[in-house]
Order: sequence, then structure tokens, then C-alpha cells
Amino acid sequence: AQKVTQAQTEISVVEKEDVTLDCVYETRDTTYYLFWYKQPPSGELVFLIRRNSFDEQNEISGRYSWNFQKSTSSFNFTITASQVVDSAVYFCALSEANNQGGKLIFGQGTELSVKP
Amino acid sequence: NAGVMQNPRHLVRRRGQEARLRCSPMKGHSHVYWYRQLPEEGLKFMVYLQKENIIDESGMPKERFSAEFPKEGPSILRIQQVVRGDSAAYFCASSPSWDLNTEAFFGQGTRLTVV
Repeated sequence: AQKVTQAQTEISVVEKEDVTLDCVYETRDTTYYLFWYKQPPSGELVFLIRRNSFDEQNEISGRYSWNFQKSTSSFNFTITASQVVDSAVYFCALSEANNQGGKLIFGQGTELSVKP
Repeated sequence: NAGVMQNPRHLVRRRGQEARLRCSPMKGHSHVYWYRQLPEEGLKFMVYLQKENIIDESGMPKERFSAEFPKEGPSILRIQQVVRGDSAAYFCASSPSWDLNTEAFFGQGTRLTVV
């Protein structure tokens, strides 16, 4: 069965701290995609990254970085030097090969609060 | 190139009324997905449609909920005889194909409040 677990319900940090959001997934497929989305207080979903199961290279985009480890079925997200504008709910999601491309399985989300 | 457009952004209905949520996919996208986000929860898949066809409705409640994506016009998610438990944010996503390599783009959501 497919499942995405974000064990951290809420995280609170002070501005400029680094913070890592954990994501563990379960799937029987060998071909799948992993995603991270940001949901700011305004409520929309903002796409951050998509990673396919054959690409285990870590990715860095500005202050954001992602660590994909198939051995532990994890796809963790780190924000370096956090800012108040990073405050949001972050969702990790999985899309399997036997699902349609847009059918995503979401984790419960991690609410990040960055205090000045 | 406009993104996925959902309207209304906010919808208030009294118990027993009908709610109609609209989703216009991105230009060139013929695949639409509806998700529901209950308060304090993640998004849950409801239904996947292509033009004039329902492909996967495994996440749709068995009663009162229906969805369509006609040849012309937006996709509609319809909730009949709404109850308080239907209060949620409903998100629509669109993609150009069913291929796993394509990415689904989300709209801004419709927040339904049932009073």
C-alpha cells in the first residue's frame, strides 16, 4: 500500500535557523515521483520540487535543499537560514507509476512557524 | 498562460443546499483532478477526469458527490444536500496527459463552508 508519513506535525524555529522537514514514503512500485508543496497562510498550493525514483541526486535551489534516500524511503526537505516568509504548511506527496500522473498521495503536512 | 482557475474562491452554503465548484484547467490540459482538504489534514484524492470521461473516482464519497468535465467549459464538482462535514478546501489540478512524467498544476482552491 502506498503511504506518505510526515511525522512532524508542527515545527517552530527562530529566523536564520536551519530546519529539516522529514518525509517517509511507502510504495511497492519501482517507478514513482516524490513532490514537495508549500501551502502558505493564503491557502494556495505552491509546487516546490518533483523527483523521480531513478534520480537520487540531492537537489539544491537557493535556500532549499532535498535529500532523497531510497534505502530509507525518505525524501527530506531542508530550509537553510529560515525566514519568516517560510512560515507555511509543507506537504510531501507520492505519485506511483500505476496511478495516473496527477494522482498524488499526500502526507499530513508539517506546519512550520518561523519567528523573527 | 493562465494557471488553473477555480471559482468561487469561497463558497458558503446552508445545510441541504447544493454546492457547485468550478475548475478551468490550464490551456492545453485535458486531465483534471479534484482533491479535498479537510481542516488540519492533508489533501485527499477524489476524482480524475478527462474530457467527457471519469477515469478514476475511487476517492469520491458514494453519495451526494458528482463530477463532470464536459467537452466545452470547466470541470464541475457538485455536492448535493451539503452537510457540515463537507466544509473543506477543494483543490483542482490539471495536467497535459496521464503520463507520469507530467506534472499536475494546482488551482488556488475553493473553500466551502456549510452553515
